[in-house]
Amino acid sequence: NAGVTQTPKFRVLKTGQSMTLLCAQDMNHEYMYWYRQDPGMGLRLIHYSVGEGTTAKGEVPDGYNVSRLKKQNFLLGLESAAPSQTSVYFCASQASYNEQFFGPGTRLTVL
Amino acid sequence: AQSVAQPEDQVNVAEGNPLTVKCTYSVSGNPYLFWYVQYPNRGLQFLLKYITGDNLVKGSYGFEAEFNKSQTSFHLKKPSALVSDSALYFCAVRDLGYIFGTGTRLKVLA
Repeated sequence: NAGVTQTPKFRVLKTGQSMTLLCAQDMNHEYMYWYRQDPGMGLRLIHYSVGEGTTAKGEVPDGYNVSRLKKQNFLLGLESAAPSQTSVYFCASQASYNEQFFGPGTRLTVL
Repeated sequence: AQSVAQPEDQVNVAEGNPLTVKCTYSVSGNPYLFWYVQYPNRGLQFLLKYITGDNLVKGSYGFEAEFNKSQTSFHLKKPSALVSDSALYFCAVRDLGYIFGTGTRLKVLA
């Protein structure tokens, strides 16, 4: 039982490049989330999903897209990376109104 | 809009002393409140939650939190701090996902 895993752990991009972050959970949770963590700002919600095939915008969705084609996976895409997207990205999953389980994070640097 | 505030960026406490990490909230309706801990270069780990019921909530690693509706607070407490408790602590309220506070760095001094 791996919980929530994230791929990759680190990535460096140049401005304008694209990439996809993968989140996988093996707990059969319906809800999945993507957050970004920046110094002094806590975590902010980017996008979320309440079930397979559904996605919705969170607090800071601009510049990101997501997909949830399979229940266990939640992908976060950056189509054209910008230095402002340098951050640590966390994925989380949740069963109903319980606590969220977080992945280990992806540290992204955009030059 | 719902929000949480953690008024202290850092809290220092001596090992063996009680610790308190403060959190206040602003919500419409009944709050679902959570505390998480983050160790360096790690994801967030769940400590405890308040959904309903007793105002004193007990959680992992000896932590507890007191829900106070009149003061709109949900302070995290531990009777006797350990050096290993040193970490970044986040208070959160459930909204679409969570709304997090900005975090409080706890430093326990030996």
